[in-house]
Amino acid sequence: QVQLVESGGGVVQPGRSLRLSCAASGFTFSTYAMHWVRQAPGKGLEWVAVISLDGSNKYFADSVKGRFTISRVNSKNTLYLQLNSLRPEDSAVYFCAKADSYYSYHGMDVWGRGTTVTVS
Amino acid sequence: QSVLTQPPSVSATPGQRVTISCSGGKSNIENNYVYWYQQSPGTAPKLLIGRFDQRPSEVPDRFSASKSGTSASLAISGLRSEDEADYYCSTWDDSLSGWVFGGGTKLTVL
Repeated sequence: QVQLVESGGGVVQPGRSLRLSCAASGFTFSTYAMHWVRQAPGKGLEWVAVISLDGSNKYFADSVKGRFTISRVNSKNTLYLQLNSLRPEDSAVYFCAKADSYYSYHGMDVWGRGTTVTVS
Repeated sequence: QSVLTQPPSVSATPGQRVTISCSGGKSNIENNYVYWYQQSPGTAPKLLIGRFDQRPSEVPDRFSASKSGTSASLAISGLRSEDEADYYCSTWDDSLSGWVFGGGTKLTVL
């Protein structure tokens, strides 16, 4: 079955960096766009970034633009999120999610369980 | 302040029908597909309604969605205690070139 497993979260000081990974299985990873979505403690969902199937197109939320980068290695079925210049307000559970097609403007149909980032 | 506006909470008794609204604009809801997600405490969001208002096979047909102009809504009929959760609408925004979520609606089954 389709499975997404995030890793790489942890406690980090403000201004430092972190790289999150998302290992995908159960589907042809290279044919779908992929998203990152985050949720601060007690808050709602906030979309972070999306990357097209081949990595040629990337879109970011204004709140992370210029600080976060999204990438993927299709040969490894892995999605990444590089978090730089971290701020306390970046503290959240970060979810990896599969798009339901190769289009970046199509939504998420399968979600991972998330990895927690705490900036303090 | 979310681009998409949802009521913070709704409540109903078992067996009743409840609707959750999602209000946006031309650049998001009117021009794009609206997705609905369900999230129970401590778990990942789960897709309820996707493109073309279609449900994944595991989602019961008690859940349905509709859209009119710049607003969308999720309807849940035959309410059950296990439907108690947070519900989010989401869509692409052409002006922002990014995805937006509603603030979420907490459904309480009385």
